[in-house]
Amino acid sequence: GIQVEQSPPDLILQEGANSTLRCNFSDSVNNLQWFHQNPWGQLINLFYIPSGTKQNGRLSATTVATERYSLLYISSSQTTDSGVYFCAVERSMDSSYKLIFGSGTRLLVRP
Amino acid sequence: EAGVTQFPSHSVIEKGQTVTLRCDPISGHDNLYWYRRVMGKEIKFLLHFVKESKQDESGMPNNRFLAERTGGTYSTLKVQPAELEDSGVYFCASSSQSSGNTIYFGEGSWLTVV
Repeated sequence: GIQVEQSPPDLILQEGANSTLRCNFSDSVNNLQWFHQNPWGQLINLFYIPSGTKQNGRLSATTVATERYSLLYISSSQTTDSGVYFCAVERSMDSSYKLIFGSGTRLLVRP
Repeated sequence: EAGVTQFPSHSVIEKGQTVTLRCDPISGHDNLYWYRRVMGKEIKFLLHFVKESKQDESGMPNNRFLAERTGGTYSTLKVQPAELEDSGVYFCASSSQSSGNTIYFGEGSWLTVV
């Protein structure tokens, strides 16, 4: 099956710092989403981004489908950005809208 | 617009008991999914409904798990009998073509089997 690898596995930032999270995937995809799981366990949609670049406030994401990776940028980080960031993909060959999740990047933003 | 809602948010049961989790998808979403994250592992797909039909149930771990979506609206996921390794967070999600195939997740149901 498709492999989804996220890096780094853990990240500690000082408030105000910028960071880049990476997601590599091993096969063609027609869906890629970034999620934030906050400390209360809620899984929040950040981006639907199978290709191209999107921005939403301090967050932006870029997917280069031909090279099979996606990047999530967090600028001017805040303590509320803490939690686990997941990348999830749907393989192009799958008929079902089944997302395959990476193992996540655990982010801690210190005040 | 209401999001995906799940009930209960937390449940603690003894090994061997039965638990039923409920999910109400976003109104009008034909696609409904169940995922789960057991401790220390990735979030894994369980199954996918299109309206009331099971499109893909390849992720269901064993026959102790039963999912239903009668009438194509809300769904239930029953675990009977529960085992210790079933502990984790069970997420429900929904999508539709009109949502651009973006999959929206609920807040999850935390299950602890003791």
